[in-house]
Amino acid sequence: DAKTTQPNSMESNEEEPVHLPCNHSTISGTDYIHWYRQLPSQGPEYVIHGLTSNVNNRMASLAIAEDRKSSTLILHRATLRDAAVYYCILRDLTTSGTYKYIFGTGTRLKVLA
Amino acid sequence: SAVISQKPSRDICQRGTSLTIQCQVDSQVTMMFWYRQQPGQSLTLIATANQGSEATYESGFVIDKFPISRPNLTFSTLTVSNMSPEDSSIYLCSVVGAEAFFGQGTRLTVV
Repeated sequence: DAKTTQPNSMESNEEEPVHLPCNHSTISGTDYIHWYRQLPSQGPEYVIHGLTSNVNNRMASLAIAEDRKSSTLILHRATLRDAAVYYCILRDLTTSGTYKYIFGTGTRLKVLA
Repeated sequence: SAVISQKPSRDICQRGTSLTIQCQVDSQVTMMFWYRQQPGQSLTLIATANQGSEATYESGFVIDKFPISRPNLTFSTLTVSNMSPEDSSIYLCSVVGAEAFFGQGTRLTVV
């Protein structure tokens, strides 16, 4: 089962910041927090990941709570192309030592022009 | 990074038939993953395919319904057997390195 919970949907106005929350209360000390997004008619794509410290990349920022039981994906200026389903994921370790990704329901982000 | 190609991109099939979906990766990978995405839903992991051994299926998925082949380190197939309309979904393959990479998916409609 997925280890994360997210709101089903959110809306944002174009050019405004968006904060997408995720709860992962059962996170272990070594779990990285991963974010992926799925644009319409595409496979999921990587957005960002982090362990403890806040992270920034060209796509987004990831703010991680001090107790690591929640995190927030921040899109600084939402565009229409950011309309997608955003997934917050804690990976599971397979018996052969590879990580597998178990998807929760995700948050469907709608960006209003 | 990894580039994943899936074939076919879409198909419409008659109930009771089978469809084999191909997944080609541009680099050698140990594990490949197959997902199903039912209409309007999230991705559900079907199985993990390791080269040279039988696939490991997640709860609710069985080999007779979704046989998987993994003949080498860059290729895998997923067969959807004895299809019914409930099998209408998008099927995606994935590989994992520093991050996960996904194919564009195969959109299957069973009529």
